[in-house]
Amino acid sequence: KQEVTQIPAALSVPEGENLVLNCSFTDSAIYNLQWFRQDPGKGLTSLLLIQSSQREQTSGRLNASLDKSSGRSTLYIAASQPGDSATYLCAVNPGNTPLVFGKGTRLSVIA
Amino acid sequence: GAGVSQSPRYKVAKRGQDVALRCDPISGHVSLFWYQQALGQGPEFLTYFQNEAQLDKSGLPSDRFFAERPEGSVSTLKIQRTQQEDSAVYLCASSQQRGNEQYFGPGTRLTVT
Repeated sequence: KQEVTQIPAALSVPEGENLVLNCSFTDSAIYNLQWFRQDPGKGLTSLLLIQSSQREQTSGRLNASLDKSSGRSTLYIAASQPGDSATYLCAVNPGNTPLVFGKGTRLSVIA
Repeated sequence: GAGVSQSPRYKVAKRGQDVALRCDPISGHVSLFWYQQALGQGPEFLTYFQNEAQLDKSGLPSDRFFAERPEGSVSTLKIQRTQQEDSAVYLCASSQQRGNEQYFGPGTRLTVT
């Protein structure tokens, strides 16, 4: 059974810092991996999707990497801003079964 | 709108009541998923539709939970005789095909008192 773990569970950083969120998964046979952002009381906003054949994806200040063989992905956020404060969720898509989510990392960026 | 919509956004039910939650997926999306998110947890899969066919309902926690998508577009998740443990956010997602990127709605927050 696929299991997804996110570390750390919570993170607080001063504005302007670069930071890395970690995601690990137990079964490397995945179709793709998505990173989501969730604001309190809101739904999920897709940030980046990495196909299994890709190593990384970039969008603005965000960069996500994927090492399928070791079962790891990282989300790098450059020059963090208070508006980046949210919960970040990693989800693995095994292909023929639904997304499997981690519990998320709750990020606070302090002005 | 172009995104996934859900209604109601908030629902308070007394224990024992029946509730119905609605999801309008992105037009043309074949696949539709329901997830349940407890406080402080990641979403967990409930059920999956491809067009009008419910292909996977392995995540439904009990026979009090029922979902349908009769015309292959709008879907309804029904919970009968609600219990306090049903309190959660119910998220709907759609994608063009299974395995493609999933787009999520804002969710329905259900509180059972």
